[in-house]
Amino acid sequence: RKEVEQDPGPFNVPEGATVAFNCTYSNSASQSFFWYRQDCRKEPKLLMSVYSSGNEDGRFTAQLNRASQYISLLIRDSKLSDSATYLCVVRSSGGSYIPTFGRGTSLIVHP
Amino acid sequence: NAGVTQTPKFRILKIGQSMTLQCTQDMNHNYMYWYRQDPGMGLKLIYYSVGAGITDKGEVPNGYNVSRSTTEDFPLRLELAAPSQTSVYFCASSRTGGETSTDTQYFGPGTRLTVL
Repeated sequence: RKEVEQDPGPFNVPEGATVAFNCTYSNSASQSFFWYRQDCRKEPKLLMSVYSSGNEDGRFTAQLNRASQYISLLIRDSKLSDSATYLCVVRSSGGSYIPTFGRGTSLIVHP
Repeated sequence: NAGVTQTPKFRILKIGQSMTLQCTQDMNHNYMYWYRQDPGMGLKLIYYSVGAGITDKGEVPNGYNVSRSTTEDFPLRLELAAPSQTSVYFCASSRTGGETSTDTQYFGPGTRLTVL
């Protein structure tokens, strides 16, 4: 089983739709969780950290389920500008907390 | 602050040539990383550094070397370039090792390398 797994998609949704992505991780000692956004041919940029109690930033909601070892990202009222690849990142304890990236989930929002 | 800068932006190498990818950060971050990203794939860690003078291998270190003589700079050296090293290379930095959810990585714009 890969350390961090994501459905690569693409998720093709109309403007205004609500879309959710999941990411599963295999290391139960994982400590920190993040969602990054990557536009085509650009560098990844932090979208939001994922806190144990869940957190929201505008139209974006991130949740963590430690028991089932997954994190989720919910995007409400999708905009055309949300089209991108969303990367799940997990950092585990054991020295240097080296991050592991999922391969990303592609989102295409169409008019 | 410029953040993380990388040079060059693009490069074409012939098989067997060598080159150094430059990475500089001006945020006084201790941790620096080199990743490669192949088309449609996630980022794979090549090497990382937890401070000046300290480096360690990541998931895919073969064919690469690094050094960290200063806090700011973390160059990646490719010796004897091979077509399998065709990829986009990203450098990143972070203040700490990610022990908390507030610590994040900042990425440079990437270097697109083609080996023919």
